[in-house]
Amino acid sequence: DAGVIQSPRHEVTEMGQEVTLRCKPISGHDYLFWYRQTMMRGLELLIYFNNNVPIDDSGMPEDRFSAKMPNASFSTLKIQPSEPRDSAVYFCASSLRSSYNEQFFGPGTRLTVL
Amino acid sequence: AQSVTQLDSQVPVFEEAPVELRCNYSSSVSVYLFWYVQYPNQGLQLLLKYLSGSTLVESINGFEAEFNKSQTSFHLRKPSVHISDTAEYFCAVSETAGGSYIPTFGRGTSLIVHP
Repeated sequence: DAGVIQSPRHEVTEMGQEVTLRCKPISGHDYLFWYRQTMMRGLELLIYFNNNVPIDDSGMPEDRFSAKMPNASFSTLKIQPSEPRDSAVYFCASSLRSSYNEQFFGPGTRLTVL
Repeated sequence: AQSVTQLDSQVPVFEEAPVELRCNYSSSVSVYLFWYVQYPNQGLQLLLKYLSGSTLVESINGFEAEFNKSQTSFHLRKPSVHISDTAEYFCAVSETAGGSYIPTFGRGTSLIVHP
């Protein structure tokens, strides 16, 4: 398996623009997680899905952030409109509940909002 | 709900010296414990885990961690570090009750190995 795939790897955009981050989890995994990592706040859990259904989105910072998982092999995290304080590395991870949710992380998307 | 405290944000050490990265957790139920490593510009990857059984667990690259229930700790150790061990290390805990096993991560400890 290729592991968790994220695209793009780097994104530079201007304030006010819409940003869409993409994730393909490992085939067969039943959980998908979106994290944000910054120097100031460390690793933050934004939202997670179980069998494509959002379970807990309490970590989503505000209404500008939204996430979807239309099928078991694809998820998106959208920021609209983007702001400079959204600059961070965004990670997607997937896991199997039967493996105690040992997490497999993607390489991340480094987002810079100017 | 569970929580994780990594007591040191940064640990500098010289090559071939021993190192210990500290992790304490808080939970009202039994837990599973994990250490993840993040090399520069990469995602996190599992280093080792404690689920049950022997309280001492080892990784393939010489790290070990011991689950201490009375002290609610899961410290990571290596007797002799290499330059290539320079990375960010994250401790994570998930509760066994409830069945979802959603992990909580600590803030991370940056291990810096000097030549």
